[in-house]
Amino acid sequence: DSGVTQTPKHLITATGQRVTLRCSPRSGDLSVYWYQQSLDQGLQFLIQYYNGEERAKGNILERFSAQQFPDLHSELNLSSLELGDSALYFCASSVGGAGREGKLFFGSGTQLSVL
Amino acid sequence: AQSVTQPDIHITVSEGASLELRCNYSYGATPYLFWYVQSPGQGLQLLLKYFSGDTLVQGIKGFEAEFKRSQSSFNLRKPSVHWSDAAEYFCAVGAPGNEKLTFGTGTRLTIIP
Repeated sequence: DSGVTQTPKHLITATGQRVTLRCSPRSGDLSVYWYQQSLDQGLQFLIQYYNGEERAKGNILERFSAQQFPDLHSELNLSSLELGDSALYFCASSVGGAGREGKLFFGSGTQLSVL
Repeated sequence: AQSVTQPDIHITVSEGASLELRCNYSYGATPYLFWYVQSPGQGLQLLLKYFSGDTLVQGIKGFEAEFKRSQSSFNLRKPSVHWSDAAEYFCAVGAPGNEKLTFGTGTRLTIIP
């Protein structure tokens, strides 16, 4: 058990809909990362928050947004969903930034299926 | 920009045999290098990491990796694999001051009796 909690584990929805994925980091970790894993794209970095502020941005679509709340949990919002958004979405946390700390603790992911 | 290449998509090894998974990176300076393992239905778990110093690093579960600057490689090795090692293995690269890790596409390891 990594200590990172992601909910829900599975999500099935239709095209055009909006969903919210939730992540609770390990106790004491200030950084939260979101990654998307798909068969054709592999593991893609989406976005990172550190202590409530956006710190780094990757290949995140404009239809997607995220935030980190004062209690350090994070939510990833996906809107106007398309079939191609079907993927496994991982949240990871670390004490500091990955560049300094290096060790990310991953949750078990949310499997999103867009039908 | 940093990048990682894992040239082997799928490797099959007999139980008890040795293992080497390849990883090549691209980065202008000395990178931070990592190997993660993903078991079915699970998130990724860190096996080992290289920041500086000794180029041969030891990790958990009996794995080791060697940083070779001249070859831009960071190959993962294990002298004798166990059936429980069957999983997907990801190499990743980071950098000082860079807030994200860039992952390779992964190598799926199958163990046969």
